[in-house]
Amino acid sequence: DVKVTQSSRYLVKRTGEKVFLECVQDMDHENMFWYRQDPGLGLRLIYFSYDVKMKEKGDIPEGYSVSREKKERFSLILESASTNQTSMYLCATLQLQGMRGYTFGSGTRLTVV
Amino acid sequence: AQSVTQLGSHVSVSEGALVLLRCNYSSSVPPYLFWYVQYPNQGLQLLLKYTTGATLVKGINGFEAEFKKSETSFHLTKPSAHMSDAAEYFCAVSPSGNTGKLIFGQGTTLQVKP
Repeated sequence: DVKVTQSSRYLVKRTGEKVFLECVQDMDHENMFWYRQDPGLGLRLIYFSYDVKMKEKGDIPEGYSVSREKKERFSLILESASTNQTSMYLCATLQLQGMRGYTFGSGTRLTVV
Repeated sequence: AQSVTQLGSHVSVSEGALVLLRCNYSSSVPPYLFWYVQYPNQGLQLLLKYTTGATLVKGINGFEAEFKKSETSFHLTKPSAHMSDAAEYFCAVSPSGNTGKLIFGQGTTLQVKP
């Protein structure tokens, strides 16, 4: 089975800090995604990447950036954390062939104080 | 633009009763449709998907969903609820042929009463 690992389960950061959320997959999938999940809003796409060094903005990219230097790793960066970025962050991968659907990591619950 | 609407943010059923979670979508092209389940403190897990072919799709844990193009719906059902079905459920749509970007509904929390 595909494994998607998010490095931290819980994080607490201070306002203004630069925050890195890491996601690593072990199955050579092309596409990787970062979503944030908030009650009543479902999952909203922040950024996605369909290849190394390639990135595309999702629906809510403001305040975020991403890095994909290697195929297996997709990092989400909060340049200057703010309290409205307190949320659950979910990483997902997709193998396009066969349209098997996403495989999700377990999520990182980030609290910005 | 594509969108997904899940009717009812909370659904409560008794153990053994029918589960019906509603999902309507809008898409300008034939869509791929998905249902995901999220148990507490976990990521999302694929329940079932519709891409092409048979419109009645069977998934894991006894769930199934029917794609109805005329109604733009993809409702999720299970004949008999089990306590372990208590979770949050997400419907999602992906326009066919794109990079795999999914658009999610708001989610429905299923409560199962003994």
